[in-house]
Order: sequence, then structure tokens, then C-alpha cells
Amino acid sequence: DGGITQSPKYLFRKEGQNVTLSCEQNLNHDAMYWYRQDPGQGLRLIYYSQIVNDFQKGDIAEGYSVSREKKESFPLTVTSAQKNPTAFYLCASIPLRDTAYEQYFGPGTRLTVT
Amino acid sequence: AQTVTQSQPEMSVQEAETVTLSCTYDTSESDYYLFWYKQPPSRQMILVIRQEAYKQQNATENRFSVNFQKAAKSFSLKISDSQLGDAAMYFCPSYSTLTFGKGTMLLVSP
Repeated sequence: DGGITQSPKYLFRKEGQNVTLSCEQNLNHDAMYWYRQDPGQGLRLIYYSQIVNDFQKGDIAEGYSVSREKKESFPLTVTSAQKNPTAFYLCASIPLRDTAYEQYFGPGTRLTVT
Repeated sequence: AQTVTQSQPEMSVQEAETVTLSCTYDTSESDYYLFWYKQPPSRQMILVIRQEAYKQQNATENRFSVNFQKAAKSFSLKISDSQLGDAAMYFCPSYSTLTFGKGTMLLVSP
């Protein structure tokens, strides 16, 4: 079955450590997105990529980095520069051939930094 | 760019009743899409329904339907025969900026 996978579901790290969240899709979608969600809040866009080897900052990119070396993969690194990294992270993708821009979401990763 | 507003932070409904969630938007585009997503306690984002602006007929998916008023820039979601499984956060995101506001929390009571 096609879909988006994010691993792991729960991730724990010590303060000061970088951590990379995985996002893989086998839907052959062109664009991929990373969102952050805090309790009781909506989703805030961190980074997005519409093509391999290219990506753009979203609204809250500071303290995060991404890469897009393969169409299927869009890993997010939460660096030690991110002041408050504990949050729920969602990855999404869009087939750009679909002009509706309907997003398909992964199950998310809950990151806890102590 | 398109901006959206969900003015109801929380709504309550009893099982089997009908509830309407509001969403208003502002855009200068002539053709666009509008979506409703739900996020249940599992936190998986699920597409509920989508509407293309040039289609005058309101979209319907089983118990879910929209009231799309293009001139008023309103896109409300009606849930009929509400079920306990409908309890979730509901989001009406911006089509052009792909931003999600704080959403509307729907509570369903037996």
C-alpha cells in the first residue's frame, strides 16, 4: 500500500543533541512538507520541498534543517539551536500534478527533549 | 495569498445530532480548492472533504457536507448524524499557503 511513513513514533533526546526525524513516501509525490504542532495549536510550516535537491523555509525554520536527496525522502534535523524542540512533528506530501494541492499526511513523530 | 479563519475554538454536539463548523476565507484567486481535515486523538490528519471553487454544487461525503458560499467566502462543514468517532480537531487550511490555523475542537457526547 502506498503512503507516508514517519519513524519513530516517539523520540526522546537530551538537550544539546541534534536529532533527525524520518519521512518517507512511496506515493511518487513531488512536494513534501514538515509541520510542527504544539498542544492546542494548529500546524506551523517548518520547511517544504517541491523538487529533489531544492527546499524552502517555512514560517518557523530557525533551528531546523532538511535535505531532499531523493524524491521519496525528506528528513528533518532538529538542531541544538532550536530553543523549544519538544513538539509533535507531521510530514506531508502533495502530488503537484493534482492542482488541488491535497495534502497526504504521515502518522507523526512525538519528540521530547529533556 | 489566501487566509482562512475558524472562529469557533470548540463545538459540542450530541450523538445523532447535526453540527456545523465555520470557516471563512479571503482570496484574490479565481479558482482554488478548499479542504476540511480532521485530526482525531491518534493525531493522524485525515482529509474529510474538498471543494473546488468553480463547482457550484456543494461537496458531500456520506454524513459530511459543505455549505460553500463563494460570494460570502464561507466554507462551512456540516456533520449529520454525529458519531462518537467524529470527535476530533477540524481544520480548514489555506489552499495557497498551506497553513493550518488553530482549528475547531469537536466534542461528541452520548
